[in-house]
Amino acid sequence: DAGVIQSPRHEVTEMGQEVTLRCKPISGHNSLFWYRQTMMRGLELLIYFNNNVPIDDSGMPEDRFSAKMPNASFSTLKIQPSEPRDSAVYFCASSQLENTIYFGEGSWLTVV
Amino acid sequence: GENVEQHPSTLSVQEGDSAVIKCTYSDSASNYFPWYKQELGKRPQLIIDIRSNVGEKKDQRIAVTLNKTAKHFSLHITETQPEDSAVYFCAASIGGGGADGLTFGKGTHLIIQP
Repeated sequence: DAGVIQSPRHEVTEMGQEVTLRCKPISGHNSLFWYRQTMMRGLELLIYFNNNVPIDDSGMPEDRFSAKMPNASFSTLKIQPSEPRDSAVYFCASSQLENTIYFGEGSWLTVV
Repeated sequence: GENVEQHPSTLSVQEGDSAVIKCTYSDSASNYFPWYKQELGKRPQLIIDIRSNVGEKKDQRIAVTLNKTAKHFSLHITETQPEDSAVYFCAASIGGGGADGLTFGKGTHLIIQP
């Protein structure tokens, strides 16, 4: 299996621009998670889906952030408009219920 | 919600010595406790996990212990090697990881001195 696949791996964008991060979970996994990692706040759970349904988005920092999972093999995390404080590594992860969570390689976002 | 505290934030040990990282959690309903290793610029990767019906689990040089009464769990690495240098994260979950996500500690930067 190719593992969790994320794109883009690196993105540099200007403040105010829209950013879309993409994720393909491991085939057969029915849970998908979006995490954000920064030096100050560590690994934070932003939102997760079970069977394509958003279950808990309490970690989404504000209305500028949105996530979708239109089918079992694809999810997006969108930031609009982006701000410098959104600069972080965004990890997508997937699992089968109650089993190990596997992380993607991450999307390194820099907002200037 | 769950809160996970991890100590120390940095740990430096001589190669060949043992390293111990400790975590506490707040929600007594948590029943799944994994440990992830993250090398610089890489993704977090699971190295060992334990569920609440087990007090200790070992995998070669790595072991994890769990004390549910005190709500703390620890990672033990014996005979440390240079490749053990990384950031280690503990985590806790109520639903077993995949069901409701993981709450992570802030991480421990383990440095193995040659």
